Amino acid sequence: KNEVEQSPQNLTAQEGEFITINCSYSVGISALHWLQQHPGGGIVSLFMLSSGKKKHGRLIATINIQEKHSSLHITASHPRDSAVYICAVGPYNTDKLIFGTGTRLQVFP
Amino acid sequence: ETGVTQTPRHLVMGMTNKKSLKCEQHLGHNAMYWYKQSAKKPLELMFVYSLEERVENNSVPSRFSPECPNSSHLFLHLHTLQPEDSALYLCASSLDRATDTQYFGPGTRLTVL
Repeated sequence: KNEVEQSPQNLTAQEGEFITINCSYSVGISALHWLQQHPGGGIVSLFMLSSGKKKHGRLIATINIQEKHSSLHITASHPRDSAVYICAVGPYNTDKLIFGTGTRLQVFP
Repeated sequence: ETGVTQTPRHLVMGMTNKKSLKCEQHLGHNAMYWYKQSAKKPLELMFVYSLEERVENNSVPSRFSPECPNSSHLFLHLHTLQPEDSALYLCASSLDRATDTQYFGPGTRLTVL
């Protein structure tokens, strides 16, 4: 079992819908990252957070350290949001990231 | 544009070939990474360099050989690869630590015949 689990694995939505992607982890962490990977392969860092909530445009990331859970929300989804969203955690005792397998999101017009 | 470039973007090689992947960053970062991404699997860390010294080698087969000549450049030398080594190879950099925000290159799609 991976130390970082994401759900759902695949998600389809109509343009304009509110999207939620979940990430659960089993280790103590210093920070959690949300990343976006477009079909071309390149990965972009969206958020790094260790508590509370962060917002950037239509994207919102929340984390509950006690419950070892984070969510990524996309408001008013758009076809250009179609990508794989990856959760990664930085455990306390190591200096490397542990990655989830990603959530593939497709938003249709 | 993330500031991290990789060449080539696509590579097809036979099992007896020798090739190299190149990564370059001009972000002033001190740490650089090689990752392997296979279908339906999480990103796998292969190598970490901090200030040009290798600090992590995740039990990677010796047919993969990294080189970091300076803090801006990272290479991955490939020789006698196997078909199961076909994957997307991603380079990334961060300011100092792996848990800092990492900036990724576009990747090299490698196919081993």
